[in-house]
Order: sequence, then C-alpha cells, then structure tokens
Amino acid sequence: QLQLQESGPGLVKPSETLPLFCSVSGGSISSGAYSWDWIRQPPGKGLEWIANIDYSGSTSYNPSLKSRVTISVDTSENQFSLKLTSVTAADTAVYYCVRRGVIRGDLYYFDYWGQGTLVTVSS
Amino acid sequence: DIQVTQSPSSLSASVGDRVTISCRASQSISKYLNWYQQKLGKAPKLLIYAASSLQSGVPSRFSGSGSGTDFTLTISSLQPEDCATYYCQQSYSTTFGQGTIVEIK
Repeated sequence: QLQLQESGPGLVKPSETLPLFCSVSGGSISSGAYSWDWIRQPPGKGLEWIANIDYSGSTSYNPSLKSRVTISVDTSENQFSLKLTSVTAADTAVYYCVRRGVIRGDLYYFDYWGQGTLVTVSS
Repeated sequence: DIQVTQSPSSLSASVGDRVTISCRASQSISKYLNWYQQKLGKAPKLLIYAASSLQSGVPSRFSGSGSGTDFTLTISSLQPEDCATYYCQQSYSTTFGQGTIVEIK
C-alpha cells in the first residue's frame, strides 16, 4: 500500500524559508504513470494546489505562488520536497503531499494523500 | 484561471436521504472534474474521477455526473459516516471548489 509522509518544521518565522519533505513508501516515485504534488489548506479553509513534479524533474506551479516556490525530486531517496520562501502568516496551513494519477494530459486526479503537516508562520 | 463554484455551501439531511451537490465551472472542462471527501482532521479522499468514474473501494451510493460546465455528486442514501466536507476539483488548471459541508439532521 502506497504511503506518503510529510516532514518539516512546525513553526517558521515570517520572511524565512519553509522546507518540506515527502517520503514515499510502498511504491516507486520513478513510476512514469504518476507525478507528485503539494497541496495546502489554511485552518478552516479550502484546498489550494501549490506545485507538481514528475520523476524526470518536470515541474509546474500555481501562478500565484510561483515566484516563491521550488519543488524537487530525489529518486534515490524516493522522496520529493518543497521550498517556500519569504513566508508570511498567510502561508500558515496544513501542507499535504499527494500522488497524481494521470489518465491523459490534463485528465488526472489525486489518489493518495499524506496525513498532512501543520505549518505555522509566527514570530 | 478556470474557477469552480460549489452549491450549496452546507446542507443537513436525514439518514437515508438522497443528497446532491453541484459544481459549476467558469468555462467548459469536458469531464475533467474530480470529487473528494474530507472528514474532520483528515486528508481528502478521492471519490469520483473524470466526472463519473467511481474510485476503487468507494461505496456505490456515491455517483458523479455531468460534463462541460455543470457537474453533480450524488449520495443515493446518506449514511452517518458520510458526514464530511466535499470538494470538487477541475484538472485543467487544478483549482478546487470552496467545499460543501454535509451534516446529518
């Protein structure tokens, strides 16, 4: 059974950089049938897609966050990661790492989710 | 960006009731729409993909329909364990609806 596990600091100061990691077990991150995403959810609010990466390193980003976000993959460690710079209180959220199953092109879905990790931005 | 708007924002229904949740896209998205269920404190769970395909392991009381701009998630007979927030998501540009809270009356 595929499992995803997020890790990172629970508390980050404003203006600092937030690093997050997702460890994938029970399956290979190098499978060409899937790619990998980060999605976040501010407390009490809805879901916001952040970024996507496939095993080859091809990436896409939410335009509203693109200037501050970098997603990367480490196939040797079977993990992928997110870096969010210049954080503010508005970045306080539960961050989920997610597997994307692709049917074709833009026809895809998110079928496996990590449990999520709460990140609070506060001084 | 393509926006998706859900309605209602919340609903209360009795066990056994038929429940429908709507999702409208700001432009045609063919069948590029998925539905998720999120229980309190948990990660979302995929219910329906490509508008009408039931994800493996999901009870058959859940169904999805629609194409173009108008989509519907139906729970044919509401069960206590279906209390959750439901989200639609379009996969052209990956945006989610604002969510519909389903409660038991």
